[in-house]
Amino acid sequence: EAQVTQNPRYLITVTGKKLTVTCSQNMNHEYMSWYRQDPGLGLRQIYYSMNVEVTDKGDVPEGYKVSRKEKRNFPLILESPSPNQTSLYFCASSLSYQPSSYNSPLHFGNGTRLTVT
Amino acid sequence: AQSVAQPEDQVNVAEGNPLTVKCTYSVSGNPYLFWYVQYPNRGLQFLLKYITGDNLVKGSYGFEAEFNKSQTSFHLKKPSALVSDSALYFCAVSDSRAAGNKLTFGGGTRVLVKP
Repeated sequence: EAQVTQNPRYLITVTGKKLTVTCSQNMNHEYMSWYRQDPGLGLRQIYYSMNVEVTDKGDVPEGYKVSRKEKRNFPLILESPSPNQTSLYFCASSLSYQPSSYNSPLHFGNGTRLTVT
Repeated sequence: AQSVAQPEDQVNVAEGNPLTVKCTYSVSGNPYLFWYVQYPNRGLQFLLKYITGDNLVKGSYGFEAEFNKSQTSFHLKKPSALVSDSALYFCAVSDSRAAGNKLTFGGGTRVLVKP
């Protein structure tokens, strides 16, 4: 089954304790992206990657890191989490990074709910 | 800069009645417009998109949306709502001049369809 898999689904941690949220897609998609969802704010892009070893900042990159060493994986790293990073996080992928492309619609994972105390 | 607005936090509609979810946008180039739906504890699912061509776009689950350039709107519609359409709906826009598949999402509109 074609899917984007995120782990874990739920995570509670303390301020300053490094954590990684994994994301993997099995569709051979070039484009991958991380979003955070907060009530009333919709989804805001954190980082994105157009291909292996190509990553760039989105709208809210502060406090986050990513890497794209393999095409299928795009982990999100919080080196020193803070309470304002408590949120619902989504990983997404698409075959093409061109919005006008037929292959541009994003496929989303089921989300990771992170709480930082 | 690109932006999108969903003016209604929630829309309530009776089952069988028409459903409309509003969306307006702002871009500097040509707009690429999308609707996504989110069911509880799930990620977003693609419904439909407008890139070019016919202003009326048909999508999944009987939904359609009308692109109106003069009003900079892309409202989502369904002629007859079902209880199972109750979910959170997001409009998103990408500017033809933006790099990196940058999608800007609206704040979302919760749809509640009552039996």
